[in-house]
Amino acid sequence: DAGVIQSPRHEVTEMGQEVTLRCKPISGHNSLFWYRQTMMRGLELLIYFNNNVPIDDSGMPEDRFSAKMPNASFSTLKIQPSEPRDSAVYFCASGQPQHFGDGTRLSIL
Amino acid sequence: DAKTTQPTSMDCAEGRAANLPCNHSTISGNEYVYWYRQIHSQGPQYIIHGLKNNETNEMASLIITEDRKSSTLILPHATLRDTAVYYCFSGYSTLTFGKGTMLLVSP
Repeated sequence: DAGVIQSPRHEVTEMGQEVTLRCKPISGHNSLFWYRQTMMRGLELLIYFNNNVPIDDSGMPEDRFSAKMPNASFSTLKIQPSEPRDSAVYFCASGQPQHFGDGTRLSIL
Repeated sequence: DAKTTQPTSMDCAEGRAANLPCNHSTISGNEYVYWYRQIHSQGPQYIIHGLKNNETNEMASLIITEDRKSSTLILPHATLRDTAVYYCFSGYSTLTFGKGTMLLVSP
């Protein structure tokens, strides 16, 4: 039984570059969540979708962040341009109760 | 989502029951109580949730007080692999992660 699948697992890039994180939710789950985790701020909800529609994006830090869910089996979180302070582990979760992926560890140099 | 408070850390001997408390005094009527845990460098793992009644599954038991203002997660026979940060939430659709309780299970 496949869980939430995130890619890449690790990403290292230079500041100013575009970063795209990907998530495949568990089949049949109607809701999808993006979180960011840092030592300083803990785990923060960025945005969540229900039936592919963004419901609450109040946690998205600024306009450099955008998220899409073009269909029920795929979502992306994009950062453009990236900055060092975006370095964190980004988690995707789906369903209720939420099931989390293994995260993407992002480092912006 | 209601705010929750948990102790910062707890210790438990291997094989003993671990009882993790959580206060959610501002919980509203339709909000569930959820418990998750996070083992270092992994994604949060769902443990259990409940609304009013006590719940039990293969991982743990959840005891919710009658006024629903607090709950206790019980790991009946803690193992070393249960060492993790445990998060309690009360909410409906979205979860607000606090700092959780760092549970250290020792031999």
